[in-house]
Amino acid sequence: DVKVTQSSRYLVKRTGEKVFLECVQDMDHENMFWYRQDPGLGLRLIYFSYDVKMKEKGDIPEGYSVSREKKERFSLILESASTNQTSMYLCASSLSLVGGYTFGSGTRLTVV
Amino acid sequence: GQQLNQSPQSMFIQEGEDVSMNCTSSSIFNTWLWYKQDPGEGPVLLIALYKAGELTSNGRLTAQFGITRKDSFLNISASIPSDVGIYFCAGQLKGGSEKLVFGKGTKLTVNP
Repeated sequence: DVKVTQSSRYLVKRTGEKVFLECVQDMDHENMFWYRQDPGLGLRLIYFSYDVKMKEKGDIPEGYSVSREKKERFSLILESASTNQTSMYLCASSLSLVGGYTFGSGTRLTVV
Repeated sequence: GQQLNQSPQSMFIQEGEDVSMNCTSSSIFNTWLWYKQDPGEGPVLLIALYKAGELTSNGRLTAQFGITRKDSFLNISASIPSDVGIYFCAGQLKGGSEKLVFGKGTKLTVNP
């Protein structure tokens, strides 16, 4: 089975800190995605990547950046964390849409 | 971005009851997917649909790709307590990229 691993299940960070959320997939998938999930708002796409060193903005990229130096790893960076970035962050990967996305277990980030 | 209208937002049912939820859009989709998210976990793919009119089952779950390609439904028969969670529909737009469009989810509570 494809596995998508997010490095932390829970994180607490202070306002203004630089935060790194790491995601690794083990099935050589081309596509990787970062979403945030908030009650009543569903899943909102932050950034995605179709290949190494390639990135595209999703629907809510403001305040975030990403890095994909290796095919298996896609990092989400909060340059200066703010309280409105407190959320559940989900990473996903896919080879193609046949079979859909495989999601990680999520990182619940709290910014205080 | 594009939105899928998923309803209902939440459901409270008794164990043993059948459940039905649906997603609609004004746009045409090539693929419909249904995911379930257990509390504190990432979404997991339940059913994938690739052709208009397709009806697919996975145990007690049945999903259909609408004939107009603008909607899909998911039915759960004889619900059990472990059916609790959030169910998301997702679709790939006709002419779209590898990105999925997600509904906002249906939160299901099953009373034993």
